[in-house]
Amino acid sequence: DIQMTQSPSSLSASVGDRVTITCRASQDISNYLAWFQQKPGKAPKSLIYAASSLQSGAPSKFSGTGSGTDFTLTISSLQPEDFATYYCQQYKIYPPTFGPGTKVDIK
Amino acid sequence: QVQLQESGPGLLKPSQTLSLTCTVSGASIRSGYFYWTWIRQPAGKTLEWIGRIYVSETTNYNPSLKSRVTISVDTSKNQFSLKLISVTASDTAVYYCARSRGYDPENWGQGTLVTVSS
Repeated sequence: DIQMTQSPSSLSASVGDRVTITCRASQDISNYLAWFQQKPGKAPKSLIYAASSLQSGAPSKFSGTGSGTDFTLTISSLQPEDFATYYCQQYKIYPPTFGPGTKVDIK
Repeated sequence: QVQLQESGPGLLKPSQTLSLTCTVSGASIRSGYFYWTWIRQPAGKTLEWIGRIYVSETTNYNPSLKSRVTISVDTSKNQFSLKLISVTASDTAVYYCARSRGYDPENWGQGTLVTVSS
């Protein structure tokens, strides 16, 4: 299976900060990467697909970049509702696999 | 707007069969175009893709679970289901159903906790 890693595993940030999370795949996955946001006790929400395409209904403050093995998710200006855990998922190589998550909490 | 809702027993004993149903509203499984997916998440851990089904009943399963998993669809009820046999404590997780265009979920159910304990 493709191994996905994320860094950092957690971060503390302030409202208004620009936040960047990194996801790395163990093999080339082209742009077959998605990002999800999950709040405690809730289902994940889809943010980004195809590495950089914003999912319908996802706020434009979220953006994704990358191709091959290295990807980033950026939150342009962190708001209270953005404190959550973020997961990446590769879906180029079967089976699809998820990263371990990055927890974003309040500084 | 599509909504998905999981239902099924929340407590199982080891060796029993896990059976969950996902009821879809706001969209028709029969219309095609989308895959209907199951994903699970043990407490404090990351997500695991279980498998998916298309309206044609074509299925894809995670090889790690393939010998124990069956996903089926009932278009007359606009539902799809997950069956996992011979469960153990390691199958304890929140189980999510989802709608996907491919392998990446777009819309998720709220999730249902399944605990396996003697």
